[in-house]
Amino acid sequence: NAGVTQTPKFRILKIGQSMTLQCTQDMNHNYMYWYRQDPGMGLKLIYYSVGAGITDKGEVPNGYNVSRSTTEDFPLRLELAAPSQTSVYFCASSQNRVHHFGDGTRLSIL
Amino acid sequence: GEDVEQSLFLSVREGDSSVINCTYTDSSSTYLYWYKQEPGAGLQLLTYIFSNMDMKQDQRLTVLLNKKDKHLSLRIADTQTGDSAIYFCAESMSDYKLSFGAGTTVTVRA
Repeated sequence: NAGVTQTPKFRILKIGQSMTLQCTQDMNHNYMYWYRQDPGMGLKLIYYSVGAGITDKGEVPNGYNVSRSTTEDFPLRLELAAPSQTSVYFCASSQNRVHHFGDGTRLSIL
Repeated sequence: GEDVEQSLFLSVREGDSSVINCTYTDSSSTYLYWYKQEPGAGLQLLTYIFSNMDMKQDQRLTVLLNKKDKHLSLRIADTQTGDSAIYFCAESMSDYKLSFGAGTTVTVRA
């Protein structure tokens, strides 16, 4: 009964490095999302997907890319890490308007 | 500014009732949600209410919705130390995306 699984849980990057945050769900949900959470700011939507092969930008997509080749997986890619991308990243999936969240990836860029 | 607004902090004595308030701006929102986030964890759905309802009760939780004032509240009866967390209000946008408030940090004191 895994739900939404995110890896890694923690990561420190140097400025300019790239990495992929992994997200997988086992509930066969069509909708998947990436949010970032900054202190006192709530969650901001980065990208979302309504099904395999379909992605769209959210509120804060700059500096990120996504892909959705399967229903289960929705990886988030940072190509050139910047200090402004230090945040906690949450992946979620939804069915019937109920979001299920992963436990988050805490990313620091130094 | 934020589409969904919440007060940032609430301190309550153990055993008392907690009331967390939220205002939203999109009158077309069909679903409104309350999520709970414990330290180091993802968001857990507590409850949600359809926009055609005024009240929903679920054990110790009572949600009140005032559509005229675009005001949502969450009441937690008999607040316990395990209720210490950040509580997020969210509204559902038309295409399954959620818009979150900044979160209310609830501290339960003995």
